[in-house]
Amino acid sequence: DTEVTQTPKHLVMGMTNKKSLKCEQHMGHRAMYWYKQKAKKPPELMFVYSYEKLSINESVPSRFSPECPNSSLLNLHLHALQPEDSALYLCASSQDWGLLGQFFGPGTRLTVL
Amino acid sequence: KNEVEQSPQNLTAQEGEFITINCSYSVGISALHWLQQHPGGGIVSLFMLSSGKKKHGRLIATINIQEKHSSLHITASHPRDSAVYICAVRSGETSGSRLTFGEGTQLTVNP
Repeated sequence: DTEVTQTPKHLVMGMTNKKSLKCEQHMGHRAMYWYKQKAKKPPELMFVYSYEKLSINESVPSRFSPECPNSSLLNLHLHALQPEDSALYLCASSQDWGLLGQFFGPGTRLTVL
Repeated sequence: KNEVEQSPQNLTAQEGEFITINCSYSVGISALHWLQQHPGGGIVSLFMLSSGKKKHGRLIATINIQEKHSSLHITASHPRDSAVYICAVRSGETSGSRLTFGEGTQLTVNP
């Protein structure tokens, strides 16, 4: 199994909703990443987990809350989002942070109304 | 000036043409990635290079570390190659190194 899966594929939420994005990999990778990508722009790093510990938070607003329950799963909890948070959210994993290539998931397209 | 610059931004080709996409970077790197992103979002890693040249099917990637330049070539292009191609560089070996992305090249191959 050499893929990263993400659910849901699409999500529409209001500004008062609470929702979660999920990411899963079974490649034994110990680093997992959340990226945000706006239309026609490259991905922007949000968070890095290394060995289930948060290693990087790129000054992301607290309305985004990451969680790594185990080495295969990565969640992104969303609360009180703004319309400008609408974007494609990509999850990626790699064997270790910085050593090998990252495998990307298909992304969750989020629309905040 | 971005640390990673790609050219061209947009490229339209006829099926069968030879295609080249260029990437220049201004920082020291440990590796360079070429990524492909189809409409709908999913990113596929095509190559990871630290020197020389790699080939996979109709795709060839080269890197010149001294000149801080890499190229992605597609031979016998096909409409299914239509996608955004992204160059990304890794600037360190140790824990903490990150990918810095170029702006991407939108490739359209017409039948």
